Amino acid sequence: DQQVKQNSPSLSVQEGRISILNCDYTNSMFDYFLWYKKYPAEGPTFLISISSIKDKNEDGRFTVFLNKSAKHLSLHIVPSQPGDSAVYFCAASAQDSGYALNFGKGTSLLVTP
Amino acid sequence: ETGVTQTPRHLVMGMTNKKSLKCEQHLGHNAMYWYKQSAKKPLELMFVYSLEERVENNSVPSRFSPECPNSSHLFLHLHTLQPEDSALYLCASSQGSSGTETQYFGPGTRLLVL
Repeated sequence: DQQVKQNSPSLSVQEGRISILNCDYTNSMFDYFLWYKKYPAEGPTFLISISSIKDKNEDGRFTVFLNKSAKHLSLHIVPSQPGDSAVYFCAASAQDSGYALNFGKGTSLLVTP
Repeated sequence: ETGVTQTPRHLVMGMTNKKSLKCEQHLGHNAMYWYKQSAKKPLELMFVYSLEERVENNSVPSRFSPECPNSSHLFLHLHTLQPEDSALYLCASSQGSSGTETQYFGPGTRLLVL
């Protein structure tokens, strides 16, 4: 049973606009969330994370929002650039259970000029 | 070399072959992981090693056998695989092995089993 879901397999956005990638989770024990970015023929690269004690974390053009009551998080990229075109994975973990990152299937973002 | 490296990058093997995947991390981390990514599926955790001891095995078939000789190296030995084992195998490492440690991934080995 998949505990982290990314329901949009793909997203296309114009350069300069905002990209919003969504992620839902089912396990209320998850308390740490990460976004990874993956280019073809490369491994996933860590992008940004958020702890459940926060509802927002910002790093440059990337902001992650966490809505614990809805078990939902989103990644905002503003402004979007063509180099942001990649597959974005949402991942979640529960500190008490350690080790395992539970990944979503990923959303393929295409930023068009 | 920096980060996490994996060799080979591509591997084609028959069902009766024995092969090994290698992962090396140059980050001074204490935990290493093997993940499997099949087409249209999320990354699946296979094995976790913390301080060279296996701490988690997510019910992986015995035809996959991990080995961690030291904190910098991780191997995945493959024996009598099935075509459905064809996937991208990713290695990752992290400083510790708690749930809040950021994991750093290698580029992966693309495996095709014929």
